[in-house]
Amino acid sequence: DAGITQSPRHKVTETGTPVTLRCHQTENHRYMYWYRQDPGHGLRLIHYSYGVKDTDKGEVSDGYSVSRSKTEDFLLTLESATSSQTSVYFCAIKDSADEQFFGPGTRLTVL
Amino acid sequence: GQQLNQSPQSMFIQEGEDVSMNCTSSSIFNTWLWYKQEPGEGPVLLIALYKAGELTSNGRLTAQFGITRKDSFLNISASIPSDVGIYFCAGTNTGNQFYFGTGTSLTVIP
Repeated sequence: DAGITQSPRHKVTETGTPVTLRCHQTENHRYMYWYRQDPGHGLRLIHYSYGVKDTDKGEVSDGYSVSRSKTEDFLLTLESATSSQTSVYFCAIKDSADEQFFGPGTRLTVL
Repeated sequence: GQQLNQSPQSMFIQEGEDVSMNCTSSSIFNTWLWYKQEPGEGPVLLIALYKAGELTSNGRLTAQFGITRKDSFLNISASIPSDVGIYFCAGTNTGNQFYFGTGTSLTVIP
């Protein structure tokens, strides 16, 4: 158990509304990641963070922003949700051995 | 982005059979990871590999880091019903970004 929690676990929202997903870790890891998982595409990186206030874009970052004001929290924001952002979102941390551990996921539906 | 080709896409096997799957990359990786994911849950790390040629076991699971550093293999011996799930490979060459295969779906028939 890597001590990763995600909230909410499920969310249904409407197109055009802002949505924020939260990832919380208890083990002080420097690296944190947000992925989305869709059928046929596997896990794709949205954004990652390598320290407080240090973030970088991943493969599918358009339409998403992130913030990391504390080591333990990494927030993913959809400023104006679209139906194409309906997905399962996973947060992950990386430890010092380059092992990635995942949270339980957030299932987001945009109507 | 980086493409990882994982095969086979799906497998249907009898309980007790051995399973083999592999993952290939278009570029060199320094670390390979293998995960298992069950419905409604996040991927769970099974094995991590760090050196070309390395062979690592975790119970009935054995994974190998390919000599070319562009591939990796996972074997499951004597499969049981609880092995059912989707198995993913992942790799990194920088330690910052990880790239994932599209998964191998394993069904074990009792």
